[in-house]
Amino acid sequence: GDSVTQTEGLVTLTEGLPVMLNCTYQSTYSPFLFWYVQHLNEAPKLLLKSFTDNKRPEHQGFHATLHKSSSSFHLQKSSAQLSDSALYYCALSDIGSNNRIFFGDGTQLVVKP
Amino acid sequence: GPKVLQIPSHQIIDMGQMVTLNCDPVSNHLYFYWYKQILGQQMEFLVNFYNGKVMEKSKLFKDQFSVERPDGSYFTLKIQPTALEDSAVYFCASSLLGAEQFFGPGTRLTVL
Repeated sequence: GDSVTQTEGLVTLTEGLPVMLNCTYQSTYSPFLFWYVQHLNEAPKLLLKSFTDNKRPEHQGFHATLHKSSSSFHLQKSSAQLSDSALYYCALSDIGSNNRIFFGDGTQLVVKP
Repeated sequence: GPKVLQIPSHQIIDMGQMVTLNCDPVSNHLYFYWYKQILGQQMEFLVNFYNGKVMEKSKLFKDQFSVERPDGSYFTLKIQPTALEDSAVYFCASSLLGAEQFFGPGTRLTVL
């Protein structure tokens, strides 16, 4: 079946340091992968999505690369900002998944001064 | 960008009463979803809906829950009767092709 695993529940780091949030997945076919970000008391918003042509998606300094060999779609940013503090969900959509997106449990990112 | 609206933003009711949460999805979207998020916890899938039918529902979608979208109007989540553990923020989402989803701002439900 389809599933997404985010191994880190909480990531705390200092402003200016690089960010990497882990995401691995299981899928039956050839999935699309997404990263959603949820700031406190707000709705989740799409941050990134994978492309079919394997281009690396980027947004607001974040990027992620879909590695089919390792079934991973890790989220990265070279330098964390205080405003990046939020809950990040990795998600997967696959053919035959009843048009449902499977969300991971989320990783809470806390950026400190 | 596309916007999903949810009405009301907050709802306080007594345990045992019925509540209906309303979602106004993006106008040309075809797939609709409800998620539940208890304070401080991750968001969890409840149900998805397409062409007037429930496609899939999770274990959290109890028998007291129902969804409908009569005549292309609001996509609603009804809970009857409500229980204390139903207190949460409920997010609606919609999607055109069943991939990328757009979320509403949520309805905070408090059951007393």
